[in-house]
Amino acid sequence: DTAVSQTPKYLVTQMGNDKSIKCEQNLGHDTMYWYKQDSKKFLKIMFSYNNKELIINETVPNRFSPKSPDKAHLNLHINSLELGDSAVYFCASSPAQGLNQPQHFGDGTRLSIL
Amino acid sequence: GDSVTQMEGPVTLSEEAFLTINCTYTATGYPSLFWYVQYPGEGLQLLLKATKADDKGSNKGFEATYRKETTSFHLEKGSVQVSDSAVYFCARGGTSYGKLTFGQGTILTVHP
Repeated sequence: DTAVSQTPKYLVTQMGNDKSIKCEQNLGHDTMYWYKQDSKKFLKIMFSYNNKELIINETVPNRFSPKSPDKAHLNLHINSLELGDSAVYFCASSPAQGLNQPQHFGDGTRLSIL
Repeated sequence: GDSVTQMEGPVTLSEEAFLTINCTYTATGYPSLFWYVQYPGEGLQLLLKATKADDKGSNKGFEATYRKETTSFHLEKGSVQVSDSAVYFCARGGTSYGKLTFGQGTILTVHP
């Protein structure tokens, strides 16, 4: 009964490869997010979708392309992986776009670029 | 723009010590304020929240009060346990689209 689930949990790959991370939420939420957490634990929002529509894109390189086939899923595809992409990527969801809504996080995908 | 500043870590305490983690935020708009906790190998979990000035959020013995006059939302716990060892994040709601702005996180280690 996991609320926000991400796959895979670990991803080790070579520089230059293309990879995808999947996220699903079963909470019935309208809004989903992708965050990147660096080695110093700093969290930065990358994207947000509301009901399949992109609403936040925080100056992320266009090698990163989110896709939301429906409001319960938000996947992240990364082209031409670089060493600096090594991080933990978190998916999150919230009930709506409102200011007072807490977000529910997945357990993260640990991406390591060799 | 919106920002949140937390006290520098890491913080190391003995069990049953008093904990304070300072957090201040930029005062644009009327944001909700949150504390999240991240246990090792896991995602962030909401610990507590406050939606307006003078509100006190509390959960699991942790408390934080929304202080508009000092733009602060400090996290406190009277007696920490080893199981409280984690990374703690202060966050403020955004002015649009449900965006949260996080502080840099504070690593807490509690020794027996």
